[in-house]
Amino acid sequence: KNEVEQSPQNLTAQEGEFITINCSYSVGISALHWLQQHPGGGIVSLFMLSSGKKKHGRLIATINIQEKHSSLHITASHPRDSAVYICAVPSSGSARQLTFGSGTQLTVLP
Amino acid sequence: GAVVSQHPSRVICKSGTSVKIECRSLDFQATTMFWYRQFPKKSLMLMATSNEGSKATYEQGVEKDKFLINHASLTLSTLTVTSAHPEDSSFYICSAKWGSGRRSGNEQFFGPGTRLTVL
Repeated sequence: KNEVEQSPQNLTAQEGEFITINCSYSVGISALHWLQQHPGGGIVSLFMLSSGKKKHGRLIATINIQEKHSSLHITASHPRDSAVYICAVPSSGSARQLTFGSGTQLTVLP
Repeated sequence: GAVVSQHPSRVICKSGTSVKIECRSLDFQATTMFWYRQFPKKSLMLMATSNEGSKATYEQGVEKDKFLINHASLTLSTLTVTSAHPEDSSFYICSAKWGSGRRSGNEQFFGPGTRLTVL
């Protein structure tokens, strides 16, 4: 089974700061997901990436397949970015099921 | 992007009653849907994988008679919590994966979740 580790668990930043959240996994994968969960609970899929880098607005996700590591960056952070960010990778042996990291609670202060 | 809805968003019920939660893919056909459970401040735990037209595959430790899953169409899967108990109180989330055709792939789209409280 793929093991997923996220860091940090909790992160508090001032508005405008550059944020980095890290994710490492143990088994080679086809693609990695970054998800955002707001306090109400709903989950939004931010990125699915299999190589290189993807950018959407102020969010940037990178992945290094050889090192089994991905990062999620938020530029010019804003209080509305406050949420739990979760990385997820396919469970080993199955491209359909996901194994989730424990999440990073991000709080951006005004 | 693809949209997945869940209904209801919040439900409160008495012990012993059954509760049905619906998961719909609104603008795509989902041959596979997943049901997750999330405890406070914990990560998502996969309960079962639901394939249209066939029986759901349950994860170890999940009682199939307790959590009935029906994937009757390519856009709808339901989770019924039978004879609910307070320990079933949790946040239930579904996700859907594109099926065959031009929009198939490994990406999963998540519903907004259903908060179940059993009194």
